[in-house]
Amino acid sequence: GAGVSQSPSNKVTEKGKDVELRCDPISGHTALYWYRQSLGQGLEFLIYFQGNSAPDKSGLPSDRFSAERTGGSVSTLTIQRTQQEDSAVYLCASSLEREGEQYFGPGTRLTVT
Amino acid sequence: AQSVTQLGSHVSVSEGALVLLRCNYSSSVPPYLFWYVQYPNQGLQLLLKYTTGATLVKGINGFEAEFKKSETSFHLTKPSAHMSDAAEYFCAVSDRGTGNQFYFGTGTSLTVIP
Repeated sequence: GAGVSQSPSNKVTEKGKDVELRCDPISGHTALYWYRQSLGQGLEFLIYFQGNSAPDKSGLPSDRFSAERTGGSVSTLTIQRTQQEDSAVYLCASSLEREGEQYFGPGTRLTVT
Repeated sequence: AQSVTQLGSHVSVSEGALVLLRCNYSSSVPPYLFWYVQYPNQGLQLLLKYTTGATLVKGINGFEAEFKKSETSFHLTKPSAHMSDAAEYFCAVSDRGTGNQFYFGTGTSLTVIP
């Protein structure tokens, strides 16, 4: 079946511009996670959605970052006024249950020039 | 909050040699434990996981890991390395009962020398 998909696969933007990154989770998965992976670093948790509950936004690095999940499915991560330090690979994952294994998308590579 | 430590950011082994990638976690309550692999330019793929039951867990591609509560460890092993095993490996934990966050280690890059 279809896995987690993310778009775009690559995004180059100028400093100060806003960007939107999209994640399509596996159908039926109630949990959705966003992570950031910087060069040579591990995965940094950003935000977590579980069903209709309020999202866990504790990992968002600043108020320039926001995310929403519409209809319990597709999610969009928005970064406003991008900075060079925002350059990273942004990974999305979904899981069927709270402590279940996560299925990762291929990521979006964001480059801020 | 949990912390996950992966000793050795880079590990090199010869083809056919034992692979040992180390992972330690900080929680006093045994969490759920996972190993993921990331091949170049790809997303993360689950290798294996421990939630309950037998402490020796077998995963895909001949990998296995053993949960040792007394050592708060979940080291990943493979008896004989193959060239195709070259990748980045991440250990992760998830607190039982919360499930809100996965905590990932910083990763270990495995190089297999022919």
